[in-house]
Amino acid sequence: SQQGEEDPQALSIQEGENATMNCSYKTSINNLQWYRQNSGRGLVHLILIRSNEREKHSGRLRVTLDTSKKSSSLLITASRAADTASYFCATRNDMRFGAGTRLTVKP
Amino acid sequence: NAGVTQTPKFQVLKTGQSMTLQCAQDMNHNSMYWYRQDPGMGLRLIYYSASEGTTDKGEVPNGYNVSRLNKREFSLRLESAAPSQTSVYFCASSSPGSPRDYGYTFGSGTRLTVV
Repeated sequence: SQQGEEDPQALSIQEGENATMNCSYKTSINNLQWYRQNSGRGLVHLILIRSNEREKHSGRLRVTLDTSKKSSSLLITASRAADTASYFCATRNDMRFGAGTRLTVKP
Repeated sequence: NAGVTQTPKFQVLKTGQSMTLQCAQDMNHNSMYWYRQDPGMGLRLIYYSASEGTTDKGEVPNGYNVSRLNKREFSLRLESAAPSQTSVYFCASSSPGSPRDYGYTFGSGTRLTVV
């Protein structure tokens, strides 16, 4: 099974709202990464959080990591239609990706 | 522009034909990877190369071979294409464990259809 599993599978919100998606993993990690994939395109690296970090910010993105629960969350604030994409988490350990969260932001 | 370059972008093959997907990176990354992505699914690892001169099987290696030609280039070969290999193929590179470990850099993908 996958190391990183995202949930929900799909999320639909209005422009301006916040979007939160979650990632769970099974074994200990060195770091966890979040990626975005626009339809038909390659994955783009968004943010990396190391195992000794609890929270990290980048622009409108906020990532948290709870190693005791083996979970991470990605928050996108003030979402825009251009944020519509699939979002994936991945851990360094086993090079695997989950099925992703498909985010739709309605104008 | 620095990054991962994949060729070709699109390809249609007949069942039984062979082809090689090319991938090159110019970021001096040690590790390179080949993934496939099927509709509505995540990426599945086919093969990876942790460093120049080494290759290892991933989750779905059957029907594929790889060559790490040098540090920059990592090719994926389909010897006898099957319709089940219709997919989008992504190459990626990274430098795990290095101070500059910023995760994977992906190519733009090759959309392969086997008829």
